[in-house]
Amino acid sequence: DVKVTQSSRYLVKRTGEKVFLECVQDMDHENMFWYRQDPGLGLRLIYFSYDVKMKEKGDIPEGYSVSREKKERFSLILESASTNQTSMYLCASSLFPSSYEQYFGPGTRLTVT
Amino acid sequence: GESVGLHLPTLSVQEGDNSIINCAYSNSASDYFIWYKQESGKGPQFIIDIRSNMDKRQGQRVTVLLNKTVKHLSLQIAATQPGDSAVYFCAEREDNQGGKLIFGQGTELSVKP
Repeated sequence: DVKVTQSSRYLVKRTGEKVFLECVQDMDHENMFWYRQDPGLGLRLIYFSYDVKMKEKGDIPEGYSVSREKKERFSLILESASTNQTSMYLCASSLFPSSYEQYFGPGTRLTVT
Repeated sequence: GESVGLHLPTLSVQEGDNSIINCAYSNSASDYFIWYKQESGKGPQFIIDIRSNMDKRQGQRVTVLLNKTVKHLSLQIAATQPGDSAVYFCAEREDNQGGKLIFGQGTELSVKP
């Protein structure tokens, strides 16, 4: 089974802090994605990556950056956390073009105070 | 813009009854659709998918129906069980958009014993 893990389930940070969210997948998937999930807004794509050192902006990249130094690891960075970045963050991976199905991690609930 | 949406935000059914969760999409270029289940505190899990060249696909206790004429997708769960209580998301892939998926907001299914 594909396993996608995220470094923290719950995280509390202060406004202005730099925040790192880590995601690791163990199935050699090329594609990795970062979403945030908010009530009433569903899943919104922040950034995605089709290969090592490659990144593409999603629908809401402002205030975020990403890093993919190794195929299995995709990091989401909040350069200066703000209260409106309080959310559930979900990482996913897929084996595109073989499959469009995305496998999700358990999520990180981030609270910025 | 193009979006995926759900008709009902909540659905309550009696244990043992069949459940039908609906999803409307607006992009006629979408060629792949997927249903996810998200239990409280967990990441979304794959349920079933369907390509646009199909009208129906069945899994274990679940059936997905695709009506391209009216751009409608539905998930049918047979003999609904308490363990089926969760939020259900539909997602679509737009043709020529790589591995990106666009997600609906979700329907919360509640199963009454």
